[in-house]
Amino acid sequence: QKEVEQNSGPLSVPEGAIASLNCTYSDRGSQSFFWYRQYSGKSPELIMFIYSNGDKEDGRFTAQLNKASQYVSLLIRDSQPSDSATYLCAVLPNDYKLSFGAGTTVTVRA
Amino acid sequence: GAVVSQHPSRVICKSGTSVKIECRSLDFQATTMFWYRQFPKQSLMLMATSNEGSKATYEQGVEKDKFLINHASLTLSTLTVTSAHPEDSSFYICSAPKGLRGAGETQYFGPGTRLLVL
Repeated sequence: QKEVEQNSGPLSVPEGAIASLNCTYSDRGSQSFFWYRQYSGKSPELIMFIYSNGDKEDGRFTAQLNKASQYVSLLIRDSQPSDSATYLCAVLPNDYKLSFGAGTTVTVRA
Repeated sequence: GAVVSQHPSRVICKSGTSVKIECRSLDFQATTMFWYRQFPKQSLMLMATSNEGSKATYEQGVEKDKFLINHASLTLSTLTVTSAHPEDSSFYICSAPKGLRGAGETQYFGPGTRLLVL
């Protein structure tokens, strides 16, 4: 079983819509949760991190964490073409090595 | 701005040569850094953990004699691909954690080094 699983893509949304990305993880001892954005040919860029249960908002991005369900999500509101990228969910378990999901490719249609 | 830098950003070399890649944390100290490799359309693969003052720890299947890691200081780790072959061509990315270990630690990635071995 993979340690971090993301909803399979690709995900295509119209400009201005909400993009919803989901992620589940297996290690209950995980302490920190991250969403990275990776454009083609570039390295991952941190866009959100969350440590506590609940919601965390930063601009058009909202991360949600539910440790009981071992679930973390990312919402992108008012999606823009520049949001088209692969989004990586990452979880920091007890060994402090980030575990990544396979990524979800998002395409925002103009 | 960038918090982790890598050099070079791109390198082309002949088969059999060695290539050194540098990773620097720019405004913080990192006793640990991580090296990843990413092939086209695949996810990041952790290769090894670079530890300042001690030996690197390698993930299963990664040859330590081929991928030499030296954590020379609290802000610098180097990865040397020895006797590179075309199959080593990939995108190599380092990361460094910043903040308190555990909840509060955030990993930042360098811009990556694209290696092409001819």
